[in-house]
Amino acid sequence: EVQLVESGGGLGQPGGSLRLSCAASGFSFSSYDMNWVRQAPGKGLEWVAYIRSSGGPIHYADSVKGRFTISRDNAKDSLSLQMNSLRAEDTAIYYCARVVGERYHFYMDVWGKGTTVTVSS
Amino acid sequence: SYELTQPPSVSVAPGQTATITCGGNNIARKGVHWYQQKPGQAPVLLVYDGSERPPGISERFSGSGSGNTATLTISRVEAGDEADFHCQVWDPLSDCPGIFGGGTKLTVL
Repeated sequence: EVQLVESGGGLGQPGGSLRLSCAASGFSFSSYDMNWVRQAPGKGLEWVAYIRSSGGPIHYADSVKGRFTISRDNAKDSLSLQMNSLRAEDTAIYYCARVVGERYHFYMDVWGKGTTVTVSS
Repeated sequence: SYELTQPPSVSVAPGQTATITCGGNNIARKGVHWYQQKPGQAPVLLVYDGSERPPGISERFSGSGSGNTATLTISRVEAGDEADFHCQVWDPLSDCPGIFGGGTKLTVL
């Protein structure tokens, strides 16, 4: 079964750090690009970061650029999101999602169940 | 930067047809993708590349597009279709290529 399982969410302090992980199974992880997508309470989906299957290039939303770092370990079928300088507006459910598509018409065909991040003092 | 506009809410009676729009500059020329998200659940891919359905998605869900508007049509609406629907495009020329619309809440009356 194709599956993505996020972990690492929890309560973070403003200005603090958290590291999210996403474990992939049931498919050849190293062959797929990956995204992190988040959803603040009561809000829509917001794309956060993208990483190519090989590890680069990488893209970030302006809202997280310079604070968040996406990375992957293809040997361990794992995706990560290092979140530094946390802000209250980073409070959200964070999803990892598999990226597919041709001619750069990328979309996400497999999603994890998400992990909740709350930033508060 | 490229923006997608969705109506916040759409209401429809059971058995009727629901239409959810997604507006963007020349959006019909882009690959538009739609996701359904039920309360407390992760999004599920519903339509990709404007009008293609993944395996297992009901034929009641269809996508189309023209000019500056992409449309998700849900025929013979059921109570179980009540959910949030999100459109998405990928802008490869942008430094921030992942773009979602604001989402539309479908209410089945």
